[in-house]
Amino acid sequence: DAGVTQSPTHLIKTRGQQVTLRCSPKSGHDTVSWYQQALGQGPQFIFQYYEEEERQRGNFPDRFSGHQFPNYSSELNVNALLLGDSALYLCASSRTSSYSGANVLTFGAGSRLTVL
Amino acid sequence: GESVGLHLPTLSVQEGDNSIINCAYSNSASDYFIWYKQESGKGPQFIIDIRSNMDKRQGQRVTVLLNKTVKHLSLQIAATQPGDSAVYFCAEPRPSGYSTLTFGKGTMLLVSP
Repeated sequence: DAGVTQSPTHLIKTRGQQVTLRCSPKSGHDTVSWYQQALGQGPQFIFQYYEEEERQRGNFPDRFSGHQFPNYSSELNVNALLLGDSALYLCASSRTSSYSGANVLTFGAGSRLTVL
Repeated sequence: GESVGLHLPTLSVQEGDNSIINCAYSNSASDYFIWYKQESGKGPQFIIDIRSNMDKRQGQRVTVLLNKTVKHLSLQIAATQPGDSAVYFCAEPRPSGYSTLTFGKGTMLLVSP
């Protein structure tokens, strides 16, 4: 059973460009959350999608947007890239109806974004 | 700001030693804490969790201790192995829901053979 898969694994962009990252949740999961992890830091919550809508949002500007598709997969879009957007972007999936603790959260390996 | 944090950024131990990783939190109302392990090139992996009605919980080779009086928790790893080398994070649910988390900065554990 595949866990959370993310693509691409690595990418390089220049300032001002736009990027789209993709996430396929673990089978049976319907909720997707995105985190940004800067080098040497813990992950920071960006937003969460459930039923194709943004349900929760962290302290990130509107340049960060997302989408969830009917098959529960999700995209994270970042516009007008800044150098400070360089980070590992992690996707985590869960099943809202059965959530009872963090042990049912599954993280992907992440997409490493470098902005030059 | 973050409500969870760690005391030490790097911990170096010898194989077979016991390791202790510490974490402080600031919100006295926090009622659930989680420890994650993140190996190089991988996403965080759940290790163990504890609810505030407990002060100790044991897993396989790991024990989490919670001291609510001083708002401190620790992760103890018994007989540390080279495969335990990773960054360890404590985390707690964000106020808006259990399925979203606030992470601390992390402690890197280095195990020497």
